[in-house]
Amino acid sequence: GESVGLHLPTLSVQEGDNSIINCAYSNSASDYFIWYKQESGKGPQFIIDIRSNMDKRQGQRVTVLLNKTVKHLSLQIAATQPGDSAVYFCAENSGGSNYKLTFGKGTLLTVNP
Amino acid sequence: SQTIHQWPATLVQPVGSPLSLECTVEGTSNPNLYWYRQAAGRGLQLLFYSVGIGQISSEVPQNLSASRPQDRQFILSSKKLLLSDSGFYLCAWGPGQVNNEQFFGPGTRLTVL
Repeated sequence: GESVGLHLPTLSVQEGDNSIINCAYSNSASDYFIWYKQESGKGPQFIIDIRSNMDKRQGQRVTVLLNKTVKHLSLQIAATQPGDSAVYFCAENSGGSNYKLTFGKGTLLTVNP
Repeated sequence: SQTIHQWPATLVQPVGSPLSLECTVEGTSNPNLYWYRQAAGRGLQLLFYSVGIGQISSEVPQNLSASRPQDRQFILSSKKLLLSDSGFYLCAWGPGQVNNEQFFGPGTRLTVL
């Protein structure tokens, strides 16, 4: 049967610190990327996206960085708050007529007050 | 604005019983629709997606099926549930245009006993 318990990478930070969550993607043809936040018992929430013709995009307190050379994506959260505690997923899409997203395993972020 | 609904929110069913989960989207037309399953502490597994009425693509062979009887309605079904069907079922919609982003519903927690 399936084992019980978390299998996710975890990141623990103090309230007010900056958080960096990393993601490695596998498909060099992927040209669109999304970060999602999922709180316990809820559906994933769209945070920010970036296309492959950009290497940085900023939102409110969040920044996504894309390094296509090493196929790496990161999400930076400034001044992390307790409400930021959640699992964060990256997702990639190879574009064209492919309407599917490939999701990473997720990272559990815990913010300590 | 667009909204996505799923029901029921939680469901407890005996092994061998049928299943019907419903997902509806408001505020958009001709969306791409998706069904995912998420096991506890794990990532998202794409089960089915649809780019139009009556058009269903299956990603994982199993005892589940999907149907899209109307443009903004997506149904996940099973004739006989297995214990391994327990999980968190998420419906998502996407505009299927330039960026292929997806937006998720609140999910249905299914427990098969």
